[in-house]
Amino acid sequence: DTAVSQTPKYLVTQMGNDKSIKCEQNLGHDTMYWYKQDSKKFLKIMFSYNNKELIINETVPNRFSPKSPDKAHLNLHINSLELGDSAVYFCASSLTYSNTEAFFGQGTRLTVV
Amino acid sequence: AQSVTQLGSHVSVSEGALVLLRCNYSSSVPPYLFWYVQYPNQGLQLLLKYTTGATLVKGINGFEAEFKKSETSFHLTKPSAHMSDAAEYFCAVKGRGSTLGRLYFGRGTQLTVWP
Repeated sequence: DTAVSQTPKYLVTQMGNDKSIKCEQNLGHDTMYWYKQDSKKFLKIMFSYNNKELIINETVPNRFSPKSPDKAHLNLHINSLELGDSAVYFCASSLTYSNTEAFFGQGTRLTVV
Repeated sequence: AQSVTQLGSHVSVSEGALVLLRCNYSSSVPPYLFWYVQYPNQGLQLLLKYTTGATLVKGINGFEAEFKKSETSFHLTKPSAHMSDAAEYFCAVKGRGSTLGRLYFGRGTQLTVWP
């Protein structure tokens, strides 16, 4: 059983489109995250939800909107896609948001053309 | 604020040689430290972590790391490299206080293992 699963794995789309990435965890964790990995492989946190409540919202364009329908799901919707949004997006979860490690999904490689 | 510096973006070793990947952190409070490994086109897998207690921590695949507070370091080692260890390795520190919950990553070190 996959612990943290994201769909789709690859996403190629044109500038200006709107797209969503879905994430689900079956670990019973309270906290979920979205991280962005750029072309130089640098990882940076975008958002975090704890028990469906937004607790971290880094400096991310408001074209990015996370939604957590329940504790096990955290989706990422992106409006008006731009070339610079091309990256790998990772969903992750942790038991709590304090000292525990994060478990990562396989990533979604988004390419905007 | 917390930050992580990984010295050396690329490290190459021969199979069977010692692996040493360096990580220094900056934290105003006792840190929670992690090493992750990323294989091509895959997600990040936790190798090991330090939160409290013993400063030498053992992880999966024969890796270990030692937390040295005086040197603000958390270097990753493996006595004998294997071809399957070739991957990208990331050191990370978890935020405390106002940055609680955030994982701050280093820039990564690409490990190449030669036969």
